Amino acid sequence: AQSVTQLDSHVSVSEGTPVLLRCNYSSSYSPSLFWYVQHPNKGLQLLLKYTSAATLVKGINGFEAEFKKSETSFHLTKPSAHMSDAAEYFCVVSDGSSNTGKLIFGQGTTLQVKP
Amino acid sequence: DAGITQSPRHKVTETGTPVTLRCHQTENHRYMYWYRQDPGHGLRLIHYSYGVKDTDKGEVSDGYSVSRSKTEDFLLTLESATSSQTSVYFCAISETSGGPRGNTQYFGPGTRLTVL
Repeated sequence: AQSVTQLDSHVSVSEGTPVLLRCNYSSSYSPSLFWYVQHPNKGLQLLLKYTSAATLVKGINGFEAEFKKSETSFHLTKPSAHMSDAAEYFCVVSDGSSNTGKLIFGQGTTLQVKP
Repeated sequence: DAGITQSPRHKVTETGTPVTLRCHQTENHRYMYWYRQDPGHGLRLIHYSYGVKDTDKGEVSDGYSVSRSKTEDFLLTLESATSSQTSVYFCAISETSGGPRGNTQYFGPGTRLTVL
């Protein structure tokens, strides 16, 4: 069965410092992996996705993530945090066991950015 | 942004009353999904649809039903609302179920439901 674990429920950084949000996954199939961001009282926006092409995936707003099969990880990074990055971030894996397009969500990581 | 709307955006209702939430898309995508979001649980799938009149259960389907009579509309019904169904409900759409492009889902703005 597919699953995803976000290793930190809350991350706090100072503006201008690097961001690292950690995600491990479990999948019996070649997975598709996603990061979504949710700003307060908003819907979810796709940041980036991995679908078996390049292992280093670049997304919007300067975020990127690296797929590491040996470590079953898909960590999200950004070199320099902005105040506007404060939000909740979800790591997501596709349910490759069926042809239904179902996604499995991590529990989320809240990113706080301090001035 | 993908053309997805949800209505109503906010609703307060009483225990035992029926409630229907609507998701409308203008993208002509085949797949549609209903999720609920609760603190500490991320998003959990309630029901999904893989075509007109084709629906199936997700992981938290008890107490919910769905219908899809047109490609563009996917309705979620709480037959008899309970306080445990107080949540934020999100609709999502996807063009594919997988493959090289992946099953990217695009989300609506959400409906905040409070059951008193």
